[in-house]
Formats: sequence, structure tokens, C-alpha cells
Amino acid sequence: EIVLTQSPGTLSLSPGEVATLSCRASQSVRSNYLAWYQQKPGQAPRLLFYGASNRATGIPDRFSGSGSGTDFSLSISRLEPEDFAVYYCQHYSDLPFTFGGGTKVEIK
Amino acid sequence: EVQLVESGGGLVQPGGSLRLSCSASGFTFGVYWIHWVRQAPGEGLVWVSRVNVDGSVTQYVDSVRGRFTISRDNARNTVYLQMDDLRAEDTALYFCVRACGGNCRDAFDIWGQGTLVSVSS
Repeated sequence: EIVLTQSPGTLSLSPGEVATLSCRASQSVRSNYLAWYQQKPGQAPRLLFYGASNRATGIPDRFSGSGSGTDFSLSISRLEPEDFAVYYCQHYSDLPFTFGGGTKVEIK
Repeated sequence: EVQLVESGGGLVQPGGSLRLSCSASGFTFGVYWIHWVRQAPGEGLVWVSRVNVDGSVTQYVDSVRGRFTISRDNARNTVYLQMDDLRAEDTALYFCVRACGGNCRDAFDIWGQGTLVSVSS
């Protein structure tokens, strides 16, 4: 089973700042089958990226995904008020699919 | 509108059973794999199970294998999750999700709002 470790656990930032979130896998993620999701309180998660760097439909270009192998990252270039949320990475390379523990991006 | 709507959650005693339903609309249901993902209160996301387009392939996370059964009825655009021998650790919000397929493969592009399962005496 691939274990995904996200860091930091919490990121305290102000609107307009840059956010960089990390997701590290315990073994290489085949074909970079790695997705990122955003979840706001009381809502279902929303797909941001698939294949590590492919932006999902409707996702603003201030969001970017990168990485390969075991190290992946999600960046938000200029935080907007609606970006404060919890972010999860997920691999879908082999069963069982697993999620990271999440990074909470909170308003400083 | 493309959507998934879950139902069937509730409070059940340990050892009891529940059947969750996931009703799909707004897309061609029969060409997509459907999964269940759960989230315990205040916790992260856990993949639970998936079913292929015609129901002939079903897969589970180890913690539910032998107790949960996923199935689908393409005529009714519905996926089911039969949950037997429920345990306190199964308490969670259960999301029905669509795997986007194509080059997106098993990333989850459509999520229901979830149905809450509580296992307690």
C-alpha cells in the first residue's frame, strides 16, 4: 500500500500570498497517477488536478500541480479568500487507492 | 446537471446492516466506474470500494472486504453498497464518486454530498 504524507499539516497565510503544499509517497506513483482535491467545511471534495499536473475543468490557473515519482506539490500563486480549505492528495496507481492526511490552509 | 445523490445512511447497532444507494443523473452512467469513499468525523478520506461499468468487477479496501458488497443497476442508474457486520470504526460520511476515466482514469471528478452512517449501541 502506498502511504501519502502531506506537509505541512496546517499552513497559515494571508490572502495574496503564495501557498506550497507537499505530498510525498512511500513508493513511486506509477505514471504519476496522483490527484489533488480541495474540501471546504460541510462540502464534498472537489477535483483540482489529475495526473499530477493536469488541471481539472474550471480550476483557476493560480493553482498549479507538479512532481513525479514520490514527490508532488500543489501551489497556489495568490491566495483568494475562497482558497482557504483543506487539500488532499490521492494516488490511483494501484489498489488500494489512498489519500494523504490533508493540509489545512487557514487565514493568518 | 451531472450529479450523484446518496441515500440510506442512518444509525445502526454494531453487527447490523445498512444498504446505501447512489443515484446518478446528467451523464451516461453505464460507461463510468463508480467508487465509494468515506470520511470519519473530523478525519481524512478513505477509499472503500469500486465497481466497473457492468458490475462484473468489484474491489474493496481490506478493512471492509467480506463485510461490504458493491453492486450496480445500470437500468436504474444506481450503485449500491451493502454493509453487513457493521463496526464502530465504520462510522463515517460515505461519498459516492465517479472516476473520470480516459486519461483522467481513477481520479474522482464527481462527488455526491454523502450519507452519514453511525454505528453505535
